[in-house]
Amino acid sequence: GQQVMQIPQYQHVQEGEDFTTYCNSSTTLSNIQWYKQRPGGHPVFLIQLVKSGEVKKQKRLTFQFGEAKKNSSLHITATQTTDVGTYFCAALGDSGGSNYKLTFGKGTLLTVNP
Amino acid sequence: GAGVSQSPSNKVTEKGKDVELRCDPISGHTALYWYRQRLGQGLEFLIYFQGNSAPDKSGLPSDRFSAERTGESVSTLTIQRTQQEDSAVYLCASSLISPLVMSSYEQYFGPGTRLTVT
Repeated sequence: GQQVMQIPQYQHVQEGEDFTTYCNSSTTLSNIQWYKQRPGGHPVFLIQLVKSGEVKKQKRLTFQFGEAKKNSSLHITATQTTDVGTYFCAALGDSGGSNYKLTFGKGTLLTVNP
Repeated sequence: GAGVSQSPSNKVTEKGKDVELRCDPISGHTALYWYRQRLGQGLEFLIYFQGNSAPDKSGLPSDRFSAERTGESVSTLTIQRTQQEDSAVYLCASSLISPLVMSSYEQYFGPGTRLTVT
């Protein structure tokens, strides 16, 4: 089955430093999504990328989808303590059909030292 | 309701007992998913319902786990003869799923049911 690798597993930064998490797949993806889960909370949708080379920004967050549609990244500029949480990528395969199951990466836990 | 709801929020049960977890998806959402999340771990896919299609049960870890969905509404996840390794948060999510609406693949998660098997 489809696998999505996400690195790093953990990242600890000082407040104000940048942070990046990467998501890689061996197969072409039709759609990649990013979710954030605060400690003790449930995953919350952040963004969806569907086009090759697509870049989207949400304030300090920048999301990219690779040209080959096999990888993606989430970059946070100047982290704040409110950014603490686990960031998951989730991919929808490109095999067509009507199965809309997402494959989640294992997540990157971000902690921020104030 | 405004979002996905799950009940109970917490469940403590004795090993060997059966439990039933409930999920109420967002009205009109055709797809419903169940995940398991152990402490400090990622999301483990369990089962997926999409409209009237046969559910994708490929993630169920054993035959002690089963799930049903009534039409495009409420779903129940049943765990029979619970074991201590079943202790986890069980998350439910729903999606609209419409090829005409690009944003419809987003998953909206419920708050989860924290299951503790003693």
